[in-house]
Amino acid sequence: RKEVEQDPGPFNVPEGATVAFNCTYSNSASQSFFWYRQDCRKEPKLLMSVYSSGNEDGRFTAQLNRASQYISLLIRDSKLSDSATYLCVVNEGTSWGKLQFGAGTQVVVTP
Amino acid sequence: NAGVTQTPKFQVLKTGQSMTLQCAQDMNHNSMYWYRQDPGMGLRLIYYSASEGTTDKGEVPNGYNVSRLNKREFSLRLESAAPSQTSVYFCASSEDGGVNPQHFGDGTRLSIL
Repeated sequence: RKEVEQDPGPFNVPEGATVAFNCTYSNSASQSFFWYRQDCRKEPKLLMSVYSSGNEDGRFTAQLNRASQYISLLIRDSKLSDSATYLCVVNEGTSWGKLQFGAGTQVVVTP
Repeated sequence: NAGVTQTPKFQVLKTGQSMTLQCAQDMNHNSMYWYRQDPGMGLRLIYYSASEGTTDKGEVPNGYNVSRLNKREFSLRLESAAPSQTSVYFCASSEDGGVNPQHFGDGTRLSIL
C-alpha cells in the first residue's frame, strides 16, 4: 500500500464551480501536511499547509481528518488558472521526518 | 531572490556516460533533497542531506551519489548513466526536515540514450 494515495483524476470542472478531492495517508504518526500544485511537469510549488483545525487561503480550503487519516482540498469559484496537478504531501512522523509525496490529482477547469 | 537553482536544465547522455547535476539554494536552509519524477508516479526521494556534512539514502539511491559541498550546494552524480535514469530531477531545500515545507528548483530534464 502506498503511504500517500490520491485519486489521479482528472477532475473536469466548469469555470466558477467548486471541486474537492481527498488524499489518504497510512502513517498515523504523521505530523505535517501540505498541498502543492504542479503545472505541466514544472517544479512543485507550495499551495498551503494543512492545520489540524482546517484552514483557508482565499478560494482554497484544506481540512485534516486524523481519525480517518485523510486531508482534503476544496477549490471554490474555479479559475482556468487552477488547472494543474495537486500533490498531497505528508511527513513521515519521525522526529526529523522526510516528506512523502502523493502522485497527484489532476484538475482541469474548462470555460 | 533566486531560491533553488539547478543546472543544467536539459541534458542528453549516452549510456555509460557520467555527469553531475548541480543545485544551490540561497535561503540559508539546512536540509536539501534530490528527487526524480517519472510519468504517472509521484516524486521519489533519491538522497537527502539533513544538514551540512551529512547525506542519507532515500527511496531510490542506486546508481547515484551525492555531495553536500557546503550549506548552499548539494550535487547529484550519475557515475554510469543508464536508460532507466531518464527522468526529471528536482532539487529541493527546507529550513529543516520534519515540519517544514520544501522549496523546489525548476528541474533538470535528463535523457539517457
